[in-house]
Amino acid sequence: GPKVLQIPSHQIIDMGQMVTLNCDPVSNHLYFYWYKQILGQQMEFLVNFYNGKVMEKSKLFKDQFSVERPDGSYFTLKIQPTALEDSAVYFCASSFTGIDTQYFGPGTRLLVL
Amino acid sequence: GQQVKQSSPSLTVQEGGISILNCDYENDMFDYFAWYKKYPDNSPTLLISVRSNVDKREDGRLTVFLNKSGKHFSLHITASQPEDTAVYLCAAGAGGNEKITFGAGTKLTIKP
Repeated sequence: GPKVLQIPSHQIIDMGQMVTLNCDPVSNHLYFYWYKQILGQQMEFLVNFYNGKVMEKSKLFKDQFSVERPDGSYFTLKIQPTALEDSAVYFCASSFTGIDTQYFGPGTRLLVL
Repeated sequence: GQQVKQSSPSLTVQEGGISILNCDYENDMFDYFAWYKKYPDNSPTLLISVRSNVDKREDGRLTVFLNKSGKHFSLHITASQPEDTAVYLCAAGAGGNEKITFGAGTKLTIKP
């Protein structure tokens, strides 16, 4: 089936540094999502993005977070500056429309020290 | 609080048996209900979904049952096989499914 890729698979950084998580969504998809899963907890919605704009974000999407997809390239999640509580697995997803199936990537495991 | 809850963190079923995975939800506005399977590469993959206008949907060995009055839905896997061993996530959404709320997952193990 359609594949969503995420780069890198693992990232370790020092607290206070900036990190960018990259997502290569399914090629004709128009809606993009980020979810966060802290170890031992459930996956939680962070943000969705359509037509160059954030449509909805959760309370987990702090001011230090930003998303963009410049000109059909990667859909990115940037955290600047990072905090210890940002350590989690971040899953990207994409869908063709807002009511279609979301296809997920394998996640990026982020560890903030 | 947890809007979507899977009360069983794990379940073991004998090969050939029926696996029943359960999910409870709180939000009356949910109208999209789904089951995802987490593959070894960790990516959740949609198995089957229903909208709230039906109370049952079958697809091969998989059946979703929806009980709206009880705010409960379940996944039945018949003729369970070792390759069904995985973590299963239930999920629900409201309006479109631009924002999906996931359960914590149930680890299903099929014993040969």
